[in-house]
Parts: sequence; structure tokens; C-alpha cells
Amino acid sequence: DTEVTQTPKHLVMGMTNKKSLKCEQHMGHRAMYWYKQKAKKPPELMFVYSYEKLSINESVPSRFSPECPNSSLLNLHLHALQPEDSALYLCASSQDPGAAAGANVLTFGAGSRLTVL
Amino acid sequence: DAKTTQPNSMESNEEEPVHLPCNHSTISGTDYIHWYRQLPSQGPEYVIHGLTSNVNNRMASLAIAEDRKSSTLILHRATLRDAAVYYCILRTGANNLFFGTGTRLTVIP
Repeated sequence: DTEVTQTPKHLVMGMTNKKSLKCEQHMGHRAMYWYKQKAKKPPELMFVYSYEKLSINESVPSRFSPECPNSSLLNLHLHALQPEDSALYLCASSQDPGAAAGANVLTFGAGSRLTVL
Repeated sequence: DAKTTQPNSMESNEEEPVHLPCNHSTISGTDYIHWYRQLPSQGPEYVIHGLTSNVNNRMASLAIAEDRKSSTLILHRATLRDAAVYYCILRTGANNLFFGTGTRLTVIP
């Protein structure tokens, strides 16, 4: 299995809703990432988990709450979002977050397209 | 993180080689040069990476300048399926991957 699976593919939510995005990989990768991508812009790094611990938080607002329950799963909990948070949310994973991290390649999912009304 | 500079867009005729340039004049000795591409409505896809030597794989070749301040991604025969945004990225030992603005490649039939 060489895939990163993201669900749901599409999500529409109101500003008062609570929802979650889910990401799953079974490649034995120990680093997992969340990116946000607005239309016609490059992906922006949000969070990195390394060995199930949050290692990087790129100053993301607290209305986005990541969770890594185990080495195969990564969630992004969404609460009180704003319309400007509408974007494609991409999950990725890579093999070894250790000293050789620079050589590791990322495998991306197809993304979850979020619309906040 | 070290920054990369790429042309905003390039065009190529189908079946011809494509050379996509990238400048990274502030690269450090431990930075790997990675290339990813993003096809329309898909997540980014790994293409190739290298440190100092030129690299080849089934998708492309990566030519790295001797001083490592620039690199070129080479697609040997462009097909319509190669139309995408190509990102050149420097990746350090830190556990991150920051995208630049990328080059939008248009392949003309």
C-alpha cells in the first residue's frame, strides 16, 4: 500500500460547526503533515507530527486542532472556522523523521476540499 | 528555510525535452534539492531529488550545478500528462517541506 488516503473528499460546513478531516497511511511512515492550499497558490505547511508527537506548528490558529492517535492516522479537527479558511487541505507522510529527514520524500493524499459558509 | 526561484510559467511542445530551471543561491551544504509536481485537482507528487550529483529516475533527470546554486529538472519527452505545476524545494534535516511558487508547465500538442 503506497497511498495516503484522505476523507472526506469534500466538506461544506458552517462557521459554528465542528468537523474533522481524516488522513490514513499504511506505509510505516513515522512523519505526517498537514498542508493548506488556496486556489492557484502553493501548499502551505501547517503541522508536522514526528513519531506521533507534534513537532512543528506553523503558527496556525487554534480553530485548527491536529491529532495523531497512532502512527497510521492523522486528524485535523475544525471548529469555528471562517470563510477564508476555505481551501484544499492536504495530508502527507514521509518515512523517517530522524537525521536523514532531508532525503525523505513526501507522499501526498489527494486532499479534502473544505468550504466554510 | 533557503529559498528557491523558478519561472512562473513555461511551454513545451509534446514529445520534446523540457528543461525546468531553479535557482537556490542560498543553499546550505545539508540541503537536499527536491522536485514535486502537482497535476490539476490532485495532491503534489514526488518527482526526483538529489544532494550533489546528477540523478536519473523513470520520471525525469535532475542536473545539479557544481556549486549547487542552481538545478534543472529535465523531462526527456514531454507528454500532455506532464502538464502541471512543478515545485523546486530545498529540504534540510529538519522535518519540513516548504513550497515555493513553482513553474506552471503547459504542453502543446
